[in-house]
Amino acid sequence: GAGVSQSPRYKVAKRGQDVALRCDPISGHVSLFWYQQALGQGPEFLTYFQNEAQLDKSGLPSDRFFAERPEGSVSTLKIQRTQQEDSAVYLCASSTTGRRDYGYTFGSGTRLTVV
Amino acid sequence: GENVEQHPSTLSVQEGDSAVIKCTYSDSASNYFPWYKQELGKGSQLIIDIRSNVGEKKDQRIAVTLNKTAKHFSLHITETQPEDSAVYFCAAIPPGGKLIFGQGTELSVKP
Repeated sequence: GAGVSQSPRYKVAKRGQDVALRCDPISGHVSLFWYQQALGQGPEFLTYFQNEAQLDKSGLPSDRFFAERPEGSVSTLKIQRTQQEDSAVYLCASSTTGRRDYGYTFGSGTRLTVV
Repeated sequence: GENVEQHPSTLSVQEGDSAVIKCTYSDSASNYFPWYKQELGKGSQLIIDIRSNVGEKKDQRIAVTLNKTAKHFSLHITETQPEDSAVYFCAAIPPGGKLIFGQGTELSVKP
């Protein structure tokens, strides 16, 4: 596609509910990243894929967070048993290269609100 | 690990004036410094970037300068326009590392 597409744009979840956030990267982009952005803060790294391989998941805040990219294209970020502190905008980005020091293209994000 | 500090957090300028946003980083091995513009509903757009082997880069009204010795880099927007109003984020990345963002600057350009 023309850009990185994320869905849904907005998600309201009751505390304890599981959610799944989807990212469609730019076609052919090798690298895919997930970031979490709290209100008034800069994005913080969650995890990184190169094709289908998850090479870095050091930013995932707890074992309730899980990400996958089984066919090396679409990725899903799953949050189990959501808590209020999970409320944030979740950003997905992709890059044409396998290098991390290269320009990323970000999606518009999914705003998650846990009530 | 890398830490990026960004100032100011808010900046208000008159249309036509220049705007400058400054960032410092801690890891001297960082070699790539992008700037992103974040607008509501439009996501984060890469507006300019610079690598550590370059001191300055310019693209029309936008320029970025890098001082490796002092470990700081700045975004300069000249002849600001109302459509430049947005939140701007600087970032740094060490080789093989992950993108570390600053806290953001909310720029407001008043007509």
